[in-house]
Amino acid sequence: ETGVTQTPRHLVMGMTNKKSLKCEQHLGHNAMYWYKQSAKKPLELMFVYNFKEQTENNSVPSRFSPECPNSSHLFLHLHTLQPEDSALYLCASSQDWTWGSLGEQYFGPGTRLTVT
Amino acid sequence: GQQVMQIPQYQHVQEGEDFTTYCNSSTTLSNIQWYKQRPGGHPVFLIQLVKSGEVKKQKRLTFQFGEAKKNSSLHITATQTTDVGTYFCAGMDNYGQNFVFGPGTRLSVLP
Repeated sequence: ETGVTQTPRHLVMGMTNKKSLKCEQHLGHNAMYWYKQSAKKPLELMFVYNFKEQTENNSVPSRFSPECPNSSHLFLHLHTLQPEDSALYLCASSQDWTWGSLGEQYFGPGTRLTVT
Repeated sequence: GQQVMQIPQYQHVQEGEDFTTYCNSSTTLSNIQWYKQRPGGHPVFLIQLVKSGEVKKQKRLTFQFGEAKKNSSLHITATQTTDVGTYFCAGMDNYGQNFVFGPGTRLSVLP
């Protein structure tokens, strides 16, 4: 148990559905992250929120929409996904995101997403 | 863009043998991190290296950051079955803008 929880753990959705992934951290951290882990690619950093402000958006398609209402919660809203978006989506948190020193990241268990 | 590579992709060792994985970046890094992911699990932070030529040890694990801050290695002495998993390096570029994971080295340890 890392102090980072994610729900749901598994999700199957059709290409026309809208769903949301939720992440919560109980560590008092100020930075939260969304990663995508698929079989064919290394872990990909999707979004970074530092003190609730989005600081990074690594060319992620607009069908993925993040939301960070406070420093403990992070959402990833999904709509009109493609089958190639099927992957493990991991949330992580760290003390903060500062230039030159990312700090230790704590990962949640992930949501296994299947798009049919 | 920044690329991080790791070799080997897979490594099978007999329990008790040593293991080394190498990480190479296409650009100079401000720091590098190592993570371990057990099968079916999530990445777990092992260590962060910041200084050129830095060497850190954690029990049987030795981590090294290259002098040019473009490569790193993880060495495990006398592997155990509990060492099974995928080891990832991840680096932040010198501009503090890109944080990229390597593809990982999957370690199997035969008892």
